[in-house]
Amino acid sequence: DAGVIQSPRHEVTEMGQEVTLRCKPISGHNSLFWYRQTMMRGLELLIYFNNNVPIDDSGMPEDRFSAKMPNASFSTLKIQPSEPRDSAVYFCASSPGPGANVLTFGAGSRLTVL
Amino acid sequence: GDSVTQMEGPVTLSEEAFLTINCTYTATGYPSLFWYVQYPGEGLQLLLKATKADDKGSNKGFEATYRKETTSFHLEKGSVQVSDSAVYFCALSDPSNDMRFGAGTRLTVKP
Repeated sequence: DAGVIQSPRHEVTEMGQEVTLRCKPISGHNSLFWYRQTMMRGLELLIYFNNNVPIDDSGMPEDRFSAKMPNASFSTLKIQPSEPRDSAVYFCASSPGPGANVLTFGAGSRLTVL
Repeated sequence: GDSVTQMEGPVTLSEEAFLTINCTYTATGYPSLFWYVQYPGEGLQLLLKATKADDKGSNKGFEATYRKETTSFHLEKGSVQVSDSAVYFCALSDPSNDMRFGAGTRLTVKP
C-alpha cells in the first residue's frame, strides 16, 4: 500500500483565495482525520470521519473551513476564503476504525497564505 | 475532556546520553497511550504504544510504561543517536474520544 496520500505537498496562495487540500486514505481504513500543525498551537484535530460520516468537527476553526468525504477513498479540506493565519501544515491520517487504533499519517500539505 | 501534557522542549543531548521525555494524561476512561515521532518534513509515525495499565511499549530502543497510578507514560532511551533527532508526541486514544496529541518535544542529538 502506498500509505496515506496527500496533495498538494506545498501550496502558496493569496489571502481571499479558495484552497482545497486532498487526501486518499489507506484502502480498507474506515476512519479519517484532518489535523493542523503550527508552531504556536502544535497539532490540532480539526475533524474526523468514521465510514465517511463526520463524527466530530468541533476542532474546525470557523465557517471558512469545510471538509467532505464523498467516498471511502477520498476526502477534501476546503478553506474559503483563506487568511494568512491559516498558514500551517495540514495532515491527513487514517486508521482501521474508531477507538484505540494506530493512525497512519500522510506527509502533509504545507499551506502558505500571503 | 481527555488530554495529554508533555514536557516542554527543546531537549538537546549528546550522543549516547540517556533520554527521558515526560508525559502525563487526563482521561475519564481507560485510554490507550502512544508515542509518535516526526522526522523533518514528514508526517507522524507510530513509535510505540500501550493499551492497558502496566503495559510496556518498546521499539528501536525506546520504551514507555503505562502507569495508571501516576497517569504517566514517560518515554525513555538508554543511549540516543544522532538519527533520533526528531519531534516526539505523546498521545492518547479513548474509544469515545479518538486520538489527542501533546504539544510535542523537539529532541536534538549532537555527535
